[in-house]
Amino acid sequence: QKEVEQNSGPLSVPEGAIASLNCTYSDRVSQSFFWYRQYSGKSPELIMSIYSNGDKEDGRFTAQLNKASQYVSLLIRDSQPSDSATYLCAVLVTGFQKLVFGTGTRLLVSP
Amino acid sequence: SQTIHQWPATLVQPVGSPLSLECTVEGTSNPNLYWYRQAAGRGLQLLFYSVGIGQISSEVPQNLSASRPQDRQFILSSKKLLLSDSGFYLCAWSSGGVYNEQFFGPGTRLTVL
Repeated sequence: QKEVEQNSGPLSVPEGAIASLNCTYSDRVSQSFFWYRQYSGKSPELIMSIYSNGDKEDGRFTAQLNKASQYVSLLIRDSQPSDSATYLCAVLVTGFQKLVFGTGTRLLVSP
Repeated sequence: SQTIHQWPATLVQPVGSPLSLECTVEGTSNPNLYWYRQAAGRGLQLLFYSVGIGQISSEVPQNLSASRPQDRQFILSSKKLLLSDSGFYLCAWSSGGVYNEQFFGPGTRLTVL
């Protein structure tokens, strides 16, 4: 079983819709979770971090964490074509100063 | 504010040639430093990470090596490049701890011919 799993997509949504990106992880005691956005040919950019169960909102982005279900999600409201990118989920490995990344979900927002 | 630099931005090297990629961080002290590789269409592969000067953890046995000669400098090297070494090399830093938000540099795109 992969440590961090994401659907590779592409996830296609129309402009203005809500995009929902999902991630599951295998380490039950993980404490820290991150979402990165990566445009084609560019380096990943940290957009959200979440450490506690529940929701965390930042502008149009909401991260949701459910540790019991080992599930992290990212909601993007009012999706824009500029949101089209690959979104990477990452989990801090317990006891180590390193992250494990999922392979990413490609999001396509059509005008 | 913190800034992370990588150079060169692009590199084309023949098989069997040496490699040296450099990463430096400004605006912070004693950062954790990381080297990742991303092959075309693939995920991020952690190659090395360092929590202090001279402390290097290797994640994948291969023909690459890393060094941290100064607190905010991280170098990725190879004595002889292979075709499979082609990819997008990313350096990242974090302040460590339980939160450990990592921030990436602009990357070096390496093509081995």
